[in-house]
Amino acid sequence: DIQMTQSPSSVSASVGDRVTITCRASQGISSWLAWYQQKPGKAPKLLIYAASSLQSGVPSRFSGSGSGTDFTLTISSLQPEDFATYYCQQANSFPRTFGPGTKVDIK
Amino acid sequence: QVQLQESGPGLVKPSETLSLTCTVSGGSISSYYWSWIRQPAGKGLEWIGRIYTSGSTNYNPSLKSRVTMSVDTSKNQFSLKLSSVTAADTAVYYCARVGGSTAYGMDVWGQGTTVTVSS
Repeated sequence: DIQMTQSPSSVSASVGDRVTITCRASQGISSWLAWYQQKPGKAPKLLIYAASSLQSGVPSRFSGSGSGTDFTLTISSLQPEDFATYYCQQANSFPRTFGPGTKVDIK
Repeated sequence: QVQLQESGPGLVKPSETLSLTCTVSGGSISSYYWSWIRQPAGKGLEWIGRIYTSGSTNYNPSLKSRVTMSVDTSKNQFSLKLSSVTAADTAVYYCARVGGSTAYGMDVWGQGTTVTVSS
């Protein structure tokens, strides 16, 4: 299985801050990476697919980059509704695997 | 607007079989992959497997011996069966659609259903 790691595991930030979350795959996955946002008690929501493509309806303050083993999710200016947990997921091979999540909370 | 809704028992006894159904509304089930994902309370996401509308499946090897997925296109539903459950299978279970143009990203999710394994 491909192991996905994320850093940091949590980050405290203020509204307007730039937030960067890193995801690393245990082996190369090309650009087969998705990012999800999950709020408490809710289902995950797809933000980014193919490492850098913005899902329809997702605000442009979210962006993704990377390929191979190292990937980044950036929130350019954190908004109150962005406080949530973020997961990366590889779609290169089976089984699909998720990172452990990064919780973004209020500073 | 495609919507997914999970249904099934919220309580399952140890050693029995967990059975869930996901109903697709607002669109056709055809020509998509459909996935099941679970999340124990306070923990991360685990991919259980996926099924295509032809019935072709891919399962997580960690669960493969206990998992069966099926699809009923006439009812716009797909299902999950997990046999010989233990307390470790207690989780919120989500169904999701693998987007047709999202590089296998899961673009539509059900709200999730909580399944507790307990006698």
